[in-house]
Amino acid sequence: KAGVTQTPRYLIKTRGQQVTLSCSPISGHRSVSWYQQTPGQGLQFLFEYFSETQRNKGNFPGRFSGRQFSNSRSEMNVSTLELGDSALYLCASSLALGGYGYTFGSGTRLTVV
Amino acid sequence: EDKVVQSPLSLVVHEGDTVTLNCSYEVTNFRSLLWYKQEKKAPTFLFMLTSSGIEKKSGRLSSILDKKELSSILNITATQTGDSAIYLCAATPYGGATNKLIFGTGTLLAVQP
Repeated sequence: KAGVTQTPRYLIKTRGQQVTLSCSPISGHRSVSWYQQTPGQGLQFLFEYFSETQRNKGNFPGRFSGRQFSNSRSEMNVSTLELGDSALYLCASSLALGGYGYTFGSGTRLTVV
Repeated sequence: EDKVVQSPLSLVVHEGDTVTLNCSYEVTNFRSLLWYKQEKKAPTFLFMLTSSGIEKKSGRLSSILDKKELSSILNITATQTGDSAIYLCAATPYGGATNKLIFGTGTLLAVQP
């Protein structure tokens, strides 16, 4: 079966712009979580969605937002990009909340110049 | 604030060596500890540990959790160049139904031929 698909793979944006990243979970998975990975901070939890509802949110500014659609696909948006937003953005999907079998996608590498 | 700390930050060994990677955690309502291997982008699941003192094994890799010491170790015996990767440790809190993972910054392992 297909894994977690993230698009685009790479992205270069200019400071002040906004960006939208997409994540398609494994078929049947209803939970999607997002993480930001930087060399200094490691993986940091952004937010998680289940059945189109945000269930949990990490300590990121309001410029970071997301949503989940009825087919479980999820998008995250970052507005007013800053240089420090350059990172690998990973999403992970699982069947349900509080369970296991967490599968990560290959991520979107965002570079802000 | 919940946190996970990994050591060492990086490690260089030769093929055939045995390595031990460390992970300590301070997580409210700790539920489980997970180890992942990240070679390029997508972290891949290695182990999930919930019970103290029970070793999980998979080939040359093994891991054990010590709930008294709030720590876990990942052992790799007879290392191979293919073991070169970032090894990530993550803890799950039990608060509510959530898939949130709290990651350490990772240990970068380089295995030289």
